[in-house]
Amino acid sequence: DIQMTQSPSSVSASVGDRVTITCRASQGISSWLAWYQQKPGKAPKLLIYAASSLQSGVPSRFSGSGSGTDFTLTISSLQPEDFATYYCQQANSFPGTFGQGTKVEIK
Amino acid sequence: QVQLVQSGAEVKKPGASVKVSCKASGYTFTSYDINWVRQATGQGLEWMGWMNPNSGNTGYAQKFQGRVTMTRNTSISTAYMELSSLRSEDTAVYYCARVLGYGGNTLDYWGQGTLVTVSS
Repeated sequence: DIQMTQSPSSVSASVGDRVTITCRASQGISSWLAWYQQKPGKAPKLLIYAASSLQSGVPSRFSGSGSGTDFTLTISSLQPEDFATYYCQQANSFPGTFGQGTKVEIK
Repeated sequence: QVQLVQSGAEVKKPGASVKVSCKASGYTFTSYDINWVRQATGQGLEWMGWMNPNSGNTGYAQKFQGRVTMTRNTSISTAYMELSSLRSEDTAVYYCARVLGYGGNTLDYWGQGTLVTVSS
């Protein structure tokens, strides 16, 4: 199985900050990576697919990059509604493993 | 609009089985794979398996092989996930999710989740 490792596990940031989350796959997955946002008590929401494609309706302050084994999610200017937990998922093969999550907290 | 509506919370005893339903609307049910993902309280997301609603073909994570069964009823656009031999560690919120169709096995729409509690 492909292992997905996210870092950091949590980050404290202020509104307006730029936040970067990384995700590393244990083997190459081309660009088959997705990013999700999850708020407490809610289902995950797709933000980015194919490493860098913005899902319809998602604000442009979210962006993704990377290929192979190393990927990045960037929030260019953190907004109050962005405080949540973010997960990466490899979409290359089964099982569709997720990273352990990164909690973005208010500083 | 695309919606996945899951069945309500369940409380089960250890050793029992649970069957969670996921009713799809707003799209052609047989055109998109369905995945199941679970999340224990305060924990991360755990992928369980996939099903092709058109063919009925399935694939399960090794951890759940022999205990999970994913089925569907195309006449009512509903997918099911049954987990047997329940133990306390299976207490979690279970989600169904639709595969995007491009971008690999990416999940674009999710159900609201079903809490399954396993307790004696």
